[in-house]
Amino acid sequence: DAGVIQSPRHEVTEMGQEVTLRCKPISGHNSLFWYRQTMMRGLELLIYFNNNVPIDDSGMPEDRFSAKMPNASFSTLKIQPSEPRDSAVYFCASNIPGQGETQYFGPGTRLLVL
Amino acid sequence: GQQLNQSPQSMFIQEGEDVSMNCTSSSIFNTWLWYKQDPGEGPVLLIALYKAGELTSNGRLTAQFGITRKDSFLNISASIPSDVGIYFCAGQLSGNTPLVFGKGTRLSVIA
Repeated sequence: DAGVIQSPRHEVTEMGQEVTLRCKPISGHNSLFWYRQTMMRGLELLIYFNNNVPIDDSGMPEDRFSAKMPNASFSTLKIQPSEPRDSAVYFCASNIPGQGETQYFGPGTRLLVL
Repeated sequence: GQQLNQSPQSMFIQEGEDVSMNCTSSSIFNTWLWYKQDPGEGPVLLIALYKAGELTSNGRLTAQFGITRKDSFLNISASIPSDVGIYFCAGQLSGNTPLVFGKGTRLSVIA
């Protein structure tokens, strides 16, 4: 299995631009998580989906952030408009419900907003 | 919300030394997990603990689930250069709830 796939691996953009991060979970996994990692705040859960349905988005920082999961094999995290404080590493993870501890993380997208 | 306090934040050790790090919580968790993150990669699960008092090993790694269910520690014996990375503890209340992560312990091993 290829594992969780994220793209792009690196993104540099200017403040005010729209950023879209993409994730393909492991086939057969029906829970998907988006995390943000910074030095100051560590790993923060932004939102998670079960069976493509958003369950908890209380970690989404503000309205500039949105996430979708149109099908079981694809999810996006969008930031519009982006700001320099959004610079971080964004991870996607997937797992099978009921086995919550075995979350498999993707390699992350390193976002730099100038 | 729930928070995990992980210590130390960073450590520098000589190759061959043993390492100990721990994690405490203000609230109870029913599962404790330890992950390792290599540079440029996502975290990878090392050990999962499911019962209070449980002691589990994975090679040179040993982790324990505290009796109070509010803490856990991870030991690494005879460290080697490839142990370098960031170690995260994570707590979970039940199988259907998200993980809560500590801020990590950054380990450096000097050969």
